[in-house]
Amino acid sequence: EPEVTQTPSHQVTQMGQEVILRCVPISNHLYFYWYRQILGQKVEFLVSFYNNEISEKSEIFDDQFSVERPDGSNFTLKIRSTKLEDSAMYFCASSDLGLAEETQYFGPGTRLLVL
Amino acid sequence: AQSVSQHNHHVILSEAASLELGCNYSYGGTVNLFWYVQYPGQHLQLLLKYFSGDPLVKGIKGFEAEFIKSKFSFNLRKPSVQWSDTAEYFCAVTAGNSGAGSYQLTFGKGTKLSVIP
Repeated sequence: EPEVTQTPSHQVTQMGQEVILRCVPISNHLYFYWYRQILGQKVEFLVSFYNNEISEKSEIFDDQFSVERPDGSNFTLKIRSTKLEDSAMYFCASSDLGLAEETQYFGPGTRLLVL
Repeated sequence: AQSVSQHNHHVILSEAASLELGCNYSYGGTVNLFWYVQYPGQHLQLLLKYFSGDPLVKGIKGFEAEFIKSKFSFNLRKPSVQWSDTAEYFCAVTAGNSGAGSYQLTFGKGTKLSVIP
């Protein structure tokens, strides 16, 4: 069964450094998402992406964040200058048609630790 | 904006016990409801979902959930749990149904289920 994959599984970085989290969505899916979960808190929506554009973003997704689909398979989340509070598990997800009732398929996550 | 509440943070059961995990949402319009599960070391995967029709939905591994609109609830049930059901369970909702678009999932905080053999 096709799966969403994410790399790296863990990333440790110093405050102020840039990080890029990578995702390979399911190959025929058109809608892509990033979510994050700070330890002990809810999984929160960050951004959705379709047709090479951001469709929707949350208040969390400020100017420090950006997303890109640099080629036909990867979908990346960049944090320009990391802060301590960016430490979280970051999940990528994808869906096929973008319907409200459609299942979003999640990757295994990248655990980011900012020191 | 929609929100989701899960009543239990951690539930501990013995094998063969029955399970019910509570989930309530707040949103005035059309919703689509999901239960996701995360087994230890694995990614979030869909257990079941409701978007229309029979409010009692059946999912994988013997799980079911009932949508009660008047109570804004979507509780997850299983008549007899197994050790392999040990996992974290997340209730989530998307709002609306107006065709294709990017619909963000709003999650509850999750319930950890520990099943003792």
